[in-house]
Amino acid sequence: TQLLEQSPQFLSIQEGENLTVYCNSSSVFSSLQWYRQEPGEGPVLLVTVVTGGEVKKLKRLTFQFGDARKDSSLHITAAQPGDTGLYLCAAWAGGSYIPTFGRGTSLIVHP
Amino acid sequence: EAQVTQNPRYLITVTGKKLTVTCSQNMNHEYMSWYRQDPGLGLRQIYYSMNVEVTDKGDVPEGYKVSRKEKRNFPLILESPSPNQTSLYFCASSLSGTGGPVAEAFFGQGTRLTVV
Repeated sequence: TQLLEQSPQFLSIQEGENLTVYCNSSSVFSSLQWYRQEPGEGPVLLVTVVTGGEVKKLKRLTFQFGDARKDSSLHITAAQPGDTGLYLCAAWAGGSYIPTFGRGTSLIVHP
Repeated sequence: EAQVTQNPRYLITVTGKKLTVTCSQNMNHEYMSWYRQDPGLGLRQIYYSMNVEVTDKGDVPEGYKVSRKEKRNFPLILESPSPNQTSLYFCASSLSGTGGPVAEAFFGQGTRLTVV
């Protein structure tokens, strides 16, 4: 299984601040997903990226897949308390049926 | 409503007592999988199934069994649970399992298992 490093592990910020979460690997992936998980719930998909250099926006969230498809970032602009949760990246090597998940970034946004 | 349903949500059991966690999806998905989530370790796949009667090991299959006799159901079986299997378990389903947009995973709400 490929290794997928997420950073930072924890993030505690004030409402209105910007933040970036990173997902890095030494391996090349065919696709990568970002999920958000709230306490007591299962993860919910935010985005899927498949093309190197791809940028996707979801309201205040911007996702980028690295040119070499080894890394990805999630940027949140003007964070809100509703953004609080555990952010997980998951990636697939080509042809694999077993995704690799990062360990997650726990985000708390204080009002 | 499209959903993945797991039962039970919470379970406390004793070492060695066989248990089954059920999982059902109503989206006609071919791919289903089980994960365990542990602090500091993230989500790790236990088993997956590409279709009826087709199952295979994930990253951490030891101590677990699964079956896929019907497309909608994918139960997780612990024949002889041990304390190191105390964890939060998630079932998930998707159209496909090889990544990309068709691999959007829909997760159940989780089963918190404690083995004493």
